[in-house]
Amino acid sequence: DIQMTQSPSSLSASVGDRVTITCRASQNINTYLNWYQQKPGKAPNVLIHAASSLQGGVPSRFSGSGSGTDFTLSISSLQAEDFATYYCQQGYITPYTFGGGTTVEIK
Amino acid sequence: QVQLVQSGAEVKKPGASVKVSCKASGYTFTRYYLHWVRQAPGQGLEWMGRINPSGGVTTYAQNLQGRVTMTRDTSTNTVYMELSSLRSDDTAVYYCARYYGAFFDFWGQGTLVAVSS
Repeated sequence: DIQMTQSPSSLSASVGDRVTITCRASQNINTYLNWYQQKPGKAPNVLIHAASSLQGGVPSRFSGSGSGTDFTLSISSLQAEDFATYYCQQGYITPYTFGGGTTVEIK
Repeated sequence: QVQLVQSGAEVKKPGASVKVSCKASGYTFTRYYLHWVRQAPGQGLEWMGRINPSGGVTTYAQNLQGRVTMTRDTSTNTVYMELSSLRSDDTAVYYCARYYGAFFDFWGQGTLVAVSS
């Protein structure tokens, strides 16, 4: 199975900060990497697919980059509604594994 | 609009089975795989498996092989996930999700399954 390692597992930030989350795959997954946001009690919601494609309706302050094994999710200017947990997920091969999650908290 | 509506919460005893449903609407049911993902309390997301609603072919996570069964009913546009020999560590919220290309684009609201004696 492909292991997905996210870092950090949590971070504290203020509104307006730039935030970067990284995700590393245990083997080459090309650009089959997706990012999801999850708020408490809700299902995850896709932000970025294919490593860098912004899902429709997602604010442009979210961006993704990377290929192969190393990927990043960036939030250019953190907003109050962005405090949540973020997961990466590889769609290269089953089992479609997720990273452990990064919780973004208010500083 | 695409909707995935899941059945309600369940409380089960260890060793029992549970069957969760996910009714799809707003798109051609047989066109996209449906997957099941679970999340234990305070934990991350775990992929459980998928079903092709067109032919019913399934793929399961290796750690659940032998305990999980996914089926579909094309007459009602519903997929089912049955998990047997329940243990306390199966306590989780279970989600169905549609796979669009290579990502999950729509999710059900989640179904809490609590396993307790």
